[in-house]
Amino acid sequence: DVKVTQSSRYLVKRTGEKVFLECVQDMDHENMFWYRQDPGLGLRLIYFSYDVKMKEKGDIPEGYSVSREKKERFSLILESASTNQTSMYLCASSFRDRGHEQYFGPGTRLTVT
Amino acid sequence: KQEVTQIPAALSVPEGENLVLNCSFTDSAIYNLQWFRQDPGKGLTSLLLIQSSQREQTSGRLNASLDKSSGRSTLYIAASQPGDSATYLCAVLGGRRALTFGSGTRLQVQP
Repeated sequence: DVKVTQSSRYLVKRTGEKVFLECVQDMDHENMFWYRQDPGLGLRLIYFSYDVKMKEKGDIPEGYSVSREKKERFSLILESASTNQTSMYLCASSFRDRGHEQYFGPGTRLTVT
Repeated sequence: KQEVTQIPAALSVPEGENLVLNCSFTDSAIYNLQWFRQDPGKGLTSLLLIQSSQREQTSGRLNASLDKSSGRSTLYIAASQPGDSATYLCAVLGGRRALTFGSGTRLQVQP
């Protein structure tokens, strides 16, 4: 079974803190993604990576950065957390071939106070 | 820009009913379409993947169809059960590598 794990299920941080969200997949997938999910706005793509050290901006990259130093790990970084970044963050992965499905992790509910 | 719409936004049915969830998308140039299930506060579970060349896929009580030319997909759930209660999301893969999601249908199956 494909497994995508995220470092925390729940996280509470203060405004201005630097926040790291970690995602690990065990299926040797080339593609990895970070989405955020908000009521009324649905799932929106923040960043994705199609190879080690490669990244592309999604629809809402402002205030975020990412790091992919190893194939299995994709990190989302909030350089200076703000209250409007309170959200559910979902990581996903897939093979490079577009015929394959995306698999999602359990999500991290981040609250910034 | 691809837009995905799901109707209805919410649905409540008695146990045992067959039901249909609808998904439409504006750009028919897609590689595939996925249906997901999401329980409250949890991640997404992949239910079915339909390639652009396929017309339908089945898994147990679930059947998904795809009409790419008209930009529509349906998810059919047979003999619904209370355990089917969840939000169902439709997503399409187009020119970019990431999925574009609909806003979901929240399903409640009453015992």
